[in-house]
Amino acid sequence: DAGVIQSPRHEVTEMGQEVTLRCKPISGHNSLFWYRQTMMRGLELLIYFNNNVPIDDSGMPEDRFSAKMPNASFSTLKIQPSEPRDSAVYFCASSFSQQGAEAFFGQGTRLTVV
Amino acid sequence: GENVEQHPSTLSVQEGDSAVIKCTYSDSASNYFPWYKQELGKRPQLIIDIRSNVGEKKDQRIAVTLNKTAKHFSLHITETQPEDSAVYFCAANLYQKVTFGTGTKLQVIP
Repeated sequence: DAGVIQSPRHEVTEMGQEVTLRCKPISGHNSLFWYRQTMMRGLELLIYFNNNVPIDDSGMPEDRFSAKMPNASFSTLKIQPSEPRDSAVYFCASSFSQQGAEAFFGQGTRLTVV
Repeated sequence: GENVEQHPSTLSVQEGDSAVIKCTYSDSASNYFPWYKQELGKRPQLIIDIRSNVGEKKDQRIAVTLNKTAKHFSLHITETQPEDSAVYFCAANLYQKVTFGTGTKLQVIP
């Protein structure tokens, strides 16, 4: 397995534009997590899915952020409209849905909003 | 929700010395505590973990301890090497929701 795959690796966009980040979890994993990493706030959990269903989205900063998981092998995180303060590295991670299962991270998407 | 505090934020040690990173958590229901290492520009990767029914776990030069009563856990790295230089994150897992500490930047000086 190639691991968790995220795309794009880098994204530069103008303020106000829509941004879509993509994630393909490890085959067989049924939990998926979206994290945001910044110097100021560290690693923050935005949302996680179990069996394609959003379980906890309390970390989603505001209505401009939305996430979907239409099937077991694909998830998106969308920001519309984007703002400069959204600039960060966004990580997707997946795991088996059992307590104590290791979460495997993708390589991240570095988002810059100018 | 869970709150994880991590100290110190930066740590410099001489090669061969030991390094200790400490974390506390707030929710006594948390029962799984992974530690991740993140090298510059790379993804976090699990290096060791401990479950709440265990007080200590060791893997070569790395060990973790857990004190459930005090709600704190620690990472110990012995005989540090330059390749140990990275940011280390502790985390507490509650019902699959993983809350990370703010990270410790470890620098091992050759």
